[in-house]
Amino acid sequence: EAGVTQFPSHSVIEKGQTVTLRCDPISGHDNLYWYRRVMGKEIKFLLHFVKESKQDESGMPNNRFLAERTGGTYSTLKVQPAELEDSGVYFCASSQYQWDRANYGYTFGSGTRLTVV
Amino acid sequence: DQQVKQNSPSLSVQEGRISILNCDYTNSMFDYFLWYKKYPAEGPTFLISISSIKDKNEDGRFTVFLNKSAKHLSLHIVPSQPGDSAVYFCAASADTGKLIFGQGTTLQVKP
Repeated sequence: EAGVTQFPSHSVIEKGQTVTLRCDPISGHDNLYWYRRVMGKEIKFLLHFVKESKQDESGMPNNRFLAERTGGTYSTLKVQPAELEDSGVYFCASSQYQWDRANYGYTFGSGTRLTVV
Repeated sequence: DQQVKQNSPSLSVQEGRISILNCDYTNSMFDYFLWYKKYPAEGPTFLISISSIKDKNEDGRFTVFLNKSAKHLSLHIVPSQPGDSAVYFCAASADTGKLIFGQGTTLQVKP
């Protein structure tokens, strides 16, 4: 079984540019989550999709961030325009059921390291 | 306001000894607590979890203890092995899909 795949693994962009991160969850997983870790701090929740619907987007920092999950398969996270403070590692995770957190946790991808210069 | 805190940024132990990683939380509505392990350039990997109705859960060398009155949990690794060297994250959830993570503790197990 393929794991959660994130692309690209690294991205370096200039302030003001646009970047799109992609996440392919494990096949059949309806729940997809985006998290971010900035400057070696805690991993912070961004949003949660159930299929193609946004279940919880309370962690999205501002309207420069746009997440989509068309067709309930892969998801994209677009940052436009990027600012210096957006630098960090963006993780995607997926699970079949929301209550999987109880016994199995979620399966995380390796992350996309975003550097805004 | 950080709801989950790991106050020790790093911990160093000798191979074969016990590693104890600590985590404190503030939200009494959390119903599950989890520990994740993270190697460099990889995503976090689920290690062990505990329900808020229990005070201990064990899986091989890993045991998690929960003290609800103190809002404190700990992860014990016995015996510690060099391959356990990683960043360990404590996380909690409150009946939703969202996980609230601590800052992480870097564990180094010396041979």
